[in-house]
Amino acid sequence: EIVLTQSPATLSLSPGERATLSCRASQSVRSSLAWYQHKPGQAPRLLIYEASNRAAGIPARFSGSGSGPDFTLTISSLEPEDFAVYYCQHRTNWPPMYTFGQGTKLEI
Amino acid sequence: EVQLVESGGGLVKPGGSLKLSCAASGFTFTSYTMNWVRQAPGKGLEWVSSVSPSSGDIYYADSVKGRFTISRDNAKNSLFLQMNSLSADDTALYYCVRVGATRDYFEYWGQGTLVTVSS
Repeated sequence: EIVLTQSPATLSLSPGERATLSCRASQSVRSSLAWYQHKPGQAPRLLIYEASNRAAGIPARFSGSGSGPDFTLTISSLEPEDFAVYYCQHRTNWPPMYTFGQGTKLEI
Repeated sequence: EVQLVESGGGLVKPGGSLKLSCAASGFTFTSYTMNWVRQAPGKGLEWVSSVSPSSGDIYYADSVKGRFTISRDNAKNSLFLQMNSLSADDTALYYCVRVGATRDYFEYWGQGTLVTVSS
């Protein structure tokens, strides 16, 4: 079973700063990794799929990179609305299942 | 516009049952694998179950295997989750989720329906 470990657990930054969030898989997952943003009271929102592809409507300040076991979500210049919890996610072919990281809380 | 609207959540006693529903619209329902994902209070996201477009492939997380049953009605663009033998650990917000162009990620999420298991 693949385990996704996100770091840091909490990231404290200010608007305008650059945020770098990490996700490490317990074994290689090729480029099969997605990132989500989750705000209280809202549904999670897909940001990045296949490690580096921005989902529809996602601002260009969000970017994803990495492959194999190590992935990064970068927010180039934080906007007030970016403060939320971020999750990485992978789907394994066998056993067929989806795994989430434990989340990184991005706080002001 | 893709819409996923969950219903059926509520308060249930330990050992009880509940059936969740999800009404889908705005896309060709028969083309996509559908999922349930949950979030317990103060916890992260946890995938619960997945059903392929034809219902030929169905999978469950180990935590719910043998207790939960996922199903879909393609004629009614609806997804279901029958939950039996519920325990406090099943208390969570349950999201109906559609995959993206591949099955690898979750593109659209409903707003969720809350299930509370308590005596």
